[in-house]
Formats: sequence, C-alpha cells, structure tokens
Amino acid sequence: DQQVKQNSPSLSVQEGRISILNCDYTNSMFDYFLWYKKYPAEGPTFLISISSIKDKNEDGRFTVFLNKSAKHLSLHIVPSQPGDSAVYFCAARGMNYGGATNKLIFGTGTLLAVQP
Amino acid sequence: SQTIHQWPATLVQPVGSPLSLECTVEGTSNPNLYWYRQAAGRGLQLLFYSVGIGQISSEVPQNLSASRPQDRQFILSSKKLLLSDSGFYLCAWSARGALGYGYTFGSGTRLTVV
Repeated sequence: DQQVKQNSPSLSVQEGRISILNCDYTNSMFDYFLWYKKYPAEGPTFLISISSIKDKNEDGRFTVFLNKSAKHLSLHIVPSQPGDSAVYFCAARGMNYGGATNKLIFGTGTLLAVQP
Repeated sequence: SQTIHQWPATLVQPVGSPLSLECTVEGTSNPNLYWYRQAAGRGLQLLFYSVGIGQISSEVPQNLSASRPQDRQFILSSKKLLLSDSGFYLCAWSARGALGYGYTFGSGTRLTVV
C-alpha cells in the first residue's frame, strides 16, 4: 500500500523554465510534508517542507503547494538550473507518528533533468 | 553542529556472508535513528527505526536486523546475505518531538551481493 506516490518517474525541462514535481498521498492524517533532493551515491538532503495547516511555503527558487482536498502537493522550481538535476523525493509524516517516532513515508522519487 | 557518519561507502559481499553497517551521530542526544534502503529503481523503504538504546522497531520482514548499543550508534546486520539484499542503505536521524520531522541522512552504503 503506497501511501505517498510520485507518478512521474522522470521529468526533463529546459534551463530557466519552471519545473513542477507532483506528489499524491492517501492518508489524511499526515501533518507534515517534505521534499528531499538526492544526487547519485549520496544521501538525500532536505529541501523544503510544509505543514498541513498551510497551503504554500516558499524558499528562494523553491515553492511547495499543498492541496489537502485533493491530497496533492507539488514542488515548483523557478528558474530551473542544471545543478537542480537530481532525484526528488516527496515524504510525509503521519500525526500519530509525531512525538516518539517521527517516521516519514517516502514516495518513489522523480528524476529531474534540467537541460542547458 | 550535528553530523552523521555512515560506513563503509561501498561494499561487495558474497551470498551467505555476514553484514555489519555502522552509523554514528554527533552533536545531539537522544536522536531517533532510522535505516532505509533504496533498491534499484525504487523509492526509500524504511527498514528499522529506534527511539532509544536497545529499542528497535522493524517495518518489513527481511533478512536483516538492527541494533542500537549506544545512544548515537545504529548498526545494521545480517547473518547470511541474499542477492536481494543488494541496494543503497541509508542511515538517518531526527530530533524527538513534534517538530522533529526533518531527517538528516548519512552519505549511504552501496551494497552489492554477488
């Protein structure tokens, strides 16, 4: 049962354009959503997060949008740069995971390729 | 500042051999610790998590085990490796409490079972 889904395994965009990565979830009890960026042979690094009580969070070129009614979130990167090429993972934390465990459930990832 | 160390970076082991991967965290106390695996073409799968010394929870049945002998040390082990154990293993830590939702990952271990 995949509670966090990233249906696009890959995405290719031109440098300077917008990259939009999508993520869907099934559990309405998730209270935090995060995006991680991963380069080959390295551990993922935290990019941006959003609380379930918000619908938008912005940090420089990165913006995450949350649509709770649709159980959907997206990551926008504007403008896209070649250094953004990496695998992006969406992750979610359930309310009942908070406190003691803080377990995150990750999606399968989307490989973003930004073409110069 | 907090740092997380994971080793070795790469490992090639024959089927049936034992495994021991180690992860240590510095600069924090009482962290939650996690072992994840990324199999080829797949996402990050949570294998084990620990909220304290000697406290291990397993997420999926498998050929692996985990131990936490010290507060900031997390070990992933196997007595006999299978081909299906190949993958990229990641250790991570998070703070306790409601705001500890962000993970910091180690650099990972690429395990190839031959």
